[in-house]
Amino acid sequence: DTGVSQNPRHKITKRGQNVTFRCDPISEHNRLYWYRQTLGQGPEFLTYFQNEAQLEKSRLLSDRFSAERPKGSFSTLEIQRTEQGDSAMYLCASSTPVDRDEQFFGPGTRLTVL
Amino acid sequence: GNSVTQMEGPVTLSEEAFLTINCTYTATGYPSLFWYVQYPGEGLQLLLKATKADDKGSNKGFEATYRKETTSFHLEKGSVQVSDSAVYFCALRRSNSGYALNFGKGTSLLVTP
Repeated sequence: DTGVSQNPRHKITKRGQNVTFRCDPISEHNRLYWYRQTLGQGPEFLTYFQNEAQLEKSRLLSDRFSAERPKGSFSTLEIQRTEQGDSAMYLCASSTPVDRDEQFFGPGTRLTVL
Repeated sequence: GNSVTQMEGPVTLSEEAFLTINCTYTATGYPSLFWYVQYPGEGLQLLLKATKADDKGSNKGFEATYRKETTSFHLEKGSVQVSDSAVYFCALRRSNSGYALNFGKGTSLLVTP
């Protein structure tokens, strides 16, 4: 399968714990995006990477959230001191260098904070 | 700010019925407009797009026309199939933003035989 993959698919954690999600984009895609989707809502943009550089961050990305893409390939999204309001589906997407319009989405990681 | 408003669902139609899902937007400048679709159990995927006023995007029998005068990008299909059952998201990309998409809340469509 050559699509965007995300791990884990589901994560249940207790409030106050740290969690980390991983996204592996399509191999030739240099652009990578993180979105968050809550029930009944559309995805909300969190942050964007071009290669290893983080070029845009939403104000939704509080200081408890950090994203990295150290070698311009996979990316991680870490949430520190999780809160119940962090419960959501976290989506990763990637796009090619030549077509920024079509973002290919992964299946998402569903986070539940108890 | 930049936002997208789309009609609430769920929308239930019989097979071969005509579909319209309304989408209006608020944005500065000239955004690009998109419809994404999420089939059950699958990730979001691009259905069609339009990047400037009066452009018509089309794919799989679906169409949408970028109407600047009414700030709309309504999705239409002349004859829906059961396999079109999915959640449809209208989205925009700001003209001065590289890459972030602003999505609407999504409209669930169920097509019955």
